[in-house]
Amino acid sequence: DGGITQSPKYLFRKEGQNVTLSCEQNLNHDAMYWYRQDPGQGLRLIYYSQIVNDFQKGDIAEGYSVSREKKESFPLTVTSAQKNPTAFYLCASSYGRSTEAFFGQGTRLTVV
Amino acid sequence: GIQVEQSPPDLILQEGANSTLRCNFSDSVNNLQWFHQNPWGQLINLFYIPSGTKQNGRLSATTVATERYSLLYISSSQTTDSGVYFCAVGQGGSEKLVFGKGTKLTVNP
Repeated sequence: DGGITQSPKYLFRKEGQNVTLSCEQNLNHDAMYWYRQDPGQGLRLIYYSQIVNDFQKGDIAEGYSVSREKKESFPLTVTSAQKNPTAFYLCASSYGRSTEAFFGQGTRLTVV
Repeated sequence: GIQVEQSPPDLILQEGANSTLRCNFSDSVNNLQWFHQNPWGQLINLFYIPSGTKQNGRLSATTVATERYSLLYISSSQTTDSGVYFCAVGQGGSEKLVFGKGTKLTVNP
């Protein structure tokens, strides 16, 4: 089945640790995105990538890093510099600008 | 940047009722999507509708791009329609979707 797979579903992080969230898609989409959702809020863009080996900052990139070494994969690292990382993280992909985006099931990150 | 406002923020219905959700945006767009976020957090695509009207079963949507709004209609609501409905827009030359804060729908049996 084609789709977007995020893992893990739940992640617990100790303060000061870096953690990496996985996002894989088999839809042959060129563009991939990471969004953050806080309780009762809409989604805000962290990073996006239009092609392999290229990515751009979104609205809230501070404290996060990404890589795009393969078309299918767009991992997100939440670094210790992110002051308030507890949130729901959603990965999306699309064929590119102005095309329909599809989302994975999300990763819920909690700092303990 | 573009602003997206959704109304109402909360809506409570009895099963079988109809409803209309509204999305206003502050600038021209070339991408508009409606999503349903289920209780587990997943975003389900409802419509990709930068302009015009579409229908899918009990749901339909209309976007009037020249007047900068979109409407989502839910007819004969069911308890499984409960959740948060998001409108998201994209502009020419930009990759990103900008989301509204959502409408939380509760359908009671």
